[in-house]
Amino acid sequence: SQTIHQWPATLVQPVGSPLSLECTVEGTSNPNLYWYRQAAGRGLQLLFYSVGIGQISSEVPQNLSASRPQDRQFILSSKKLLLSDSGFYLCAWSEGLAHDNEQFFGPGTRLTVL
Amino acid sequence: GDSVTQMEGPVTLSEEACLTINCTYTATGYPSLFWYVQYPGEGLQLLLKATKADDKGSNKGFEATYRKETTSFHLEKGSVQVSDSAVYFCALSDPNRDDKIIFGKGTRLHILP
Repeated sequence: SQTIHQWPATLVQPVGSPLSLECTVEGTSNPNLYWYRQAAGRGLQLLFYSVGIGQISSEVPQNLSASRPQDRQFILSSKKLLLSDSGFYLCAWSEGLAHDNEQFFGPGTRLTVL
Repeated sequence: GDSVTQMEGPVTLSEEACLTINCTYTATGYPSLFWYVQYPGEGLQLLLKATKADDKGSNKGFEATYRKETTSFHLEKGSVQVSDSAVYFCALSDPNRDDKIIFGKGTRLHILP
């Protein structure tokens, strides 16, 4: 069966520090991968999605970046965190086209930037 | 562009009450529609979906019918339980607009015993 892992589960970082959040999927090949941010009062915002290794689409301009170094690994990064980067970050995967298939979400990482 | 609008929360109900959470959408094509649920401290999980007009998705006593004429996908349950307390997200995926899902802002539901 397929599983999705995210770590760390919680993170407290000072403003200006770097960030690296990792997401890995097991039990499937060539999944579509997604990074979302859930901020209080703002719902779920798609940040990045990837349909293959090295293929990243960015949805919103920001100081975050994403990379997909391996088929089932998706990394969210920042060189310098801002206060506004605080939130709950969710990784998700789907097998094939999103409009036909369910997205499966990881447990999330709660990031607090101080 | 495509968008999803769902009713503002929080919604507070007593156990065994009837629930309706409204959701309307805007899309250029013929999207698939979803309801996802997020229980406290967890990621989202799919609750139900419908892929074409007049389809009814159902799961765990929840139902939603894809209404193309009103561009709506309202979530309903006849008798809610305390365990239904969660945040509910309406979402769409338009096959004409890349391969991603657009979520509404979510509706927090509190069920009182």
